[in-house]
Amino acid sequence: GNSVTQMEGPVTLSEEAFLTINCTYTATGYPSLFWYVQYPGEGLQLLLKATKADDKGSNKGFEATYRKETTSFHLEKGSVQVSDSAVYFCALIMDSSYKLIFGSGTRLLVRP
Amino acid sequence: ETGVTQSPTHLIKTRGQQVTLRCSSQSGHNTVSWYQQALGQGPQFIFQYYREEENGRGNFPPRFSGLQFPNYSSELNVNALELDDSALYLCASSSSGADTQYFGPGTRLTVL
Repeated sequence: GNSVTQMEGPVTLSEEAFLTINCTYTATGYPSLFWYVQYPGEGLQLLLKATKADDKGSNKGFEATYRKETTSFHLEKGSVQVSDSAVYFCALIMDSSYKLIFGSGTRLLVRP
Repeated sequence: ETGVTQSPTHLIKTRGQQVTLRCSSQSGHNTVSWYQQALGQGPQFIFQYYREEENGRGNFPPRFSGLQFPNYSSELNVNALELDDSALYLCASSSSGADTQYFGPGTRLTVL
């Protein structure tokens, strides 16, 4: 079946460091891909999305490129801030479906 | 534009009881999806409602049921609560045919 795999956390970085959170997917078809962020005690916020191969989603300095050849959608940010500390979820949805399929989440901790 | 709202924020129940959670969709959205997020895990799809009908269901038993009202708001009902039902319940709204879902802040359910 369709699934999403994320790198395990926590990822601990110093402020202004470069961030990569790996995400790969398995899908029978061509899904839309998403990154959601969850701050402590809150729901999920959509961070960015990409709907087809080679699309790049970007928002608030975060970027991710839909790579069909490697079935990946890695999240990157050039310079993280303490306020970026949160749990990040990679997710997919199929055209013919109605449900988001999430990875297990990666916790990011940014130290001053 | 009003975002997705959920009530209550928290509640505590005992095993065997029943609970109703409520969700108001974002303005302009006619589809509501419910997810269960256990501690430290990614959200799992419960079901989706569109035009007051269940539009798809995940791997949850029948004691999880729902409703959607003409104003697109929705309820999630859980009967015969079990300890494992303790989780954050997330509601998400979207427009029919759109792939992007927007989440509310969640309801934290604790079953003792």
